[in-house]
Amino acid sequence: ETGVTQSPTHLIKTRGQQVTLRCSSQSGHNTVSWYQQALGQGPQFIFQYYREEENGRGNFPPRFSGLQFPNYSSELNVNALELDDSALYLCASSGGAGPQETQYFGPGTRLLVL
Amino acid sequence: DAKTTQPPSMDCAEGRAANLPCNHSTISGNEYVYWYRQIHSQGPQYIIHGLKNNETNEMASLIITEDRKSSTLILPHATLRDTAVYYCIVLARDDKIIFGKGTRLHILP
Repeated sequence: ETGVTQSPTHLIKTRGQQVTLRCSSQSGHNTVSWYQQALGQGPQFIFQYYREEENGRGNFPPRFSGLQFPNYSSELNVNALELDDSALYLCASSGGAGPQETQYFGPGTRLLVL
Repeated sequence: DAKTTQPPSMDCAEGRAANLPCNHSTISGNEYVYWYRQIHSQGPQYIIHGLKNNETNEMASLIITEDRKSSTLILPHATLRDTAVYYCIVLARDDKIIFGKGTRLHILP
């Protein structure tokens, strides 16, 4: 059983650019959640996808968008990047054999916006 | 906002039990207590969760008070690898996780 994987591990972009981050969920999981973690803070919930539909969203602007594919992998897209978007972006999957709401996190993608 | 209160940091000697407290005085009857930890530069890791009974697994024990307003995570024999930020979270079955600032646990050699 493979765990949650994310790509790329690190990324540098400039202000105004667009970025796509990818996440492969753990085998058997149908739900993916995305989080943003600024330095020194706890992760902040961005949104969740369940069976290819958005299933809850945190307090993030529309330029943060996502997608889930039939194999339950997911993408996070951020348009018009701002300096404050620099953070660790975490993906978590759930819905496998364990309790529905237990989430298993990937290692994250560290994004730096210059 | 997070529904829990945790001390910002704690120290524990290697080999001793680490007891991490969490207050959740406004917890509802259908809300679970979850614990995750985050080792530096890694994604959070699930540790344990419970509703009202005490729970134990291979990583830790969770002690929930009878009124459910507080809980304690116990790492029975702390090692240097247990140095991490520990997050206590309360959520209902379909809730989305809201992380607070957690407790930074330092294991001292």
